[in-house]
Amino acid sequence: SQTIHQWPATLVQPVGSPLSLECTVEGTSNPNLYWYRQAAGRGLQLLFYSVGIGQISSEVPQNLSASRPQDRQFILSSKKLLLSDSGFYLCAWSSGGLETQYFGPGTRLLVL
Amino acid sequence: GQQLNQSPQSMFIQEGEDVSMNCTSSSIFNTWLWYKQDPGEGPVLLIALYKAGELTSNGRLTAQFGITRKDSFLNISASIPSDVGIYFCAGLKSGGSNYKLTFGKGTLLTVNP
Repeated sequence: SQTIHQWPATLVQPVGSPLSLECTVEGTSNPNLYWYRQAAGRGLQLLFYSVGIGQISSEVPQNLSASRPQDRQFILSSKKLLLSDSGFYLCAWSSGGLETQYFGPGTRLLVL
Repeated sequence: GQQLNQSPQSMFIQEGEDVSMNCTSSSIFNTWLWYKQDPGEGPVLLIALYKAGELTSNGRLTAQFGITRKDSFLNISASIPSDVGIYFCAGLKSGGSNYKLTFGKGTLLTVNP
């Protein structure tokens, strides 16, 4: 069966510090991968999606970037965090050709 | 852009009551999904709908894909305390950027024991 992991679960970072959040998927190959941000417990906003290694599409201009160094690994990064980057970050995967997305457990980021 | 109007925004019910929530859109979607999110966790898929008019059940949950492809509802029968959480609908349009789901803003469900 397929599983999705996110690391870390919680992170507190100072403004201006770098960020690296990791998402890994097991039990499937060549998945589509997604990064979402959720503010205040509602409203999932799609940040990035990837249909293959090295292929990243950005949905909204922002202070963040994404990379996909391996087939089942998706990284969310920032060089300098802003206060507004605080939120709950969710990674999701779907099997190519199928629309259903499955979410990871999320990372709660607090920028102080 | 595409929008899904999800209602109600929140519900407060007594244990044992039935619940109904729905999503509507001005656009046609080819797939409707319903998720539940517990506090501090990622959304979990409850039901996936792929055909117009499709009615699908998952235990006490029942969801339907509207005939016009512009709406969907989710019913929960005989609610229990663990039904508490935020319920999201999500729709997908085929063609173009067919990887991207459009999410409703969620229905917050509170169940009083």
